[in-house]
Amino acid sequence: QVQLVQSGAEVKKPGTSVKVSCKASGYTFTMSGISWVRQAPGQGLEWMGWISAYNGDTHYAQNFQGRVTVTTDTSTSTAYMELRSLRSDDTAIYYCAKDYDYNVDVWGQGTTVTVSS
Amino acid sequence: QTVVTQEPSLTVSPGGTVTLTCASSTGAVTSGSYPNWFQQKPGQAPRSLIYTTNNKHSWTPARFSGSLLGGKAALTLSGVRPEDEADYYCLLYYSNTWVFGGGTKLTVL
Repeated sequence: QVQLVQSGAEVKKPGTSVKVSCKASGYTFTMSGISWVRQAPGQGLEWMGWISAYNGDTHYAQNFQGRVTVTTDTSTSTAYMELRSLRSDDTAIYYCAKDYDYNVDVWGQGTTVTVSS
Repeated sequence: QTVVTQEPSLTVSPGGTVTLTCASSTGAVTSGSYPNWFQQKPGQAPRSLIYTTNNKHSWTPARFSGSLLGGKAALTLSGVRPEDEADYYCLLYYSNTWVFGGGTKLTVL
């Protein structure tokens, strides 16, 4: 079955970076894209960006331009999201989701990132 | 900055019908916004229900349906069950980016 498995929880200091991974299985990785979404405690969902696993094209939300980079490693069917210059309000659960042909269907289990001094 | 608006909260009785809507600050929502709908229960990752306006996944219960209604995207639940109590989010597409609505907290009472 299609599955996205994310890396474990992270605790980071303000000003540092975090890199979250998302390993895909059960489908042809390069035939789809991956979106990244976050959810701050008690808040709604926020779309961050997308990458095509086919050709590496990326699109980012304006709020994260210049601070986030999404990449893929097709040899391991893994997507990555790196967020830099972390602030306390970046504390959130970060999700990856399979995103193909305007269909955001399968989600990872989420990775908790805590930013605290 | 594009804003997508949903009802903050709705209440429905078991067995009843409820419609959640999703409006765009840029104007009418159309099929070209490729509306997606998600359900999220406490402590869980979101679960996809509907994609591209009205298409269901293999796991989507038949009582959920998507449509366009009065310039908005809509999610209708018919024959509501207690387990449908959850947060519901819509997602709209704008020129290579997606924007989530603020979510609707659905209470089944």
